[in-house]
Amino acid sequence: GAVVSQHPSWVICKSGTSVKIECRSLDFQATTMFWYRQFPKQSLMLMATSNEGSKATYEQGVEKDKFLINHASLTLSTLTVTSAHPEDSSFYICSASPGTGDEQYFGPGTRLTVT
Amino acid sequence: QKEVEQDPGPLSVPEGAIVSLNCTYSNSAFQYFMWYRQYSRKGPELLMYTYSSGNKEDGRFTAQVDKSSKYISLFIRDSQPSDSATYLCASRGSQGNLIFGKGTKLSVKP
Repeated sequence: GAVVSQHPSWVICKSGTSVKIECRSLDFQATTMFWYRQFPKQSLMLMATSNEGSKATYEQGVEKDKFLINHASLTLSTLTVTSAHPEDSSFYICSASPGTGDEQYFGPGTRLTVT
Repeated sequence: QKEVEQDPGPLSVPEGAIVSLNCTYSNSAFQYFMWYRQYSRKGPELLMYTYSSGNKEDGRFTAQVDKSSKYISLFIRDSQPSDSATYLCASRGSQGNLIFGKGTKLSVKP
């Protein structure tokens, strides 16, 4: 149980375009979903926390107009990287939690390359 | 000072060795501590979860937390080549978010 999927697993896009990444909890309802970014040889850095039906809370230094997060249902959250630039190339990982303070289950990650 | 510090390694050991992985943290309010294993280009998977101080054992893995020194450890006994991965320690922040260390890359040589 507690499976989280992400789609796509990898994507290449051109500079200036937008990319949407989906995160789904397959066998549980996720009250809270988290989006992380991981650069090579670096740790996972939390970008934002989203609760179903409400606006996401972004970490300091993360541009909310560039990284659009939608958590429209209890099983789906999306991250849209708008006007992507090469420096946005990274490994994006989501996690989902049944409730605040509960365990987080991680997705397999999405590797984004912006050319 | 980062809230969770971890030596990135890399750490290379022979098969069968005992592996010791360590982290320190700065926030004395942290109560929940986790160890995750991450294979290359994959998401992290939870290995161990401990609350407050003490030891927790699960098969070949033992997690230790010493709150007095703000020290977190993971021991792997009889290490196997399949244990080769990056190991991330994490603490849970006040908002339920996880604060990760940089991760230690472990290589177990057959």
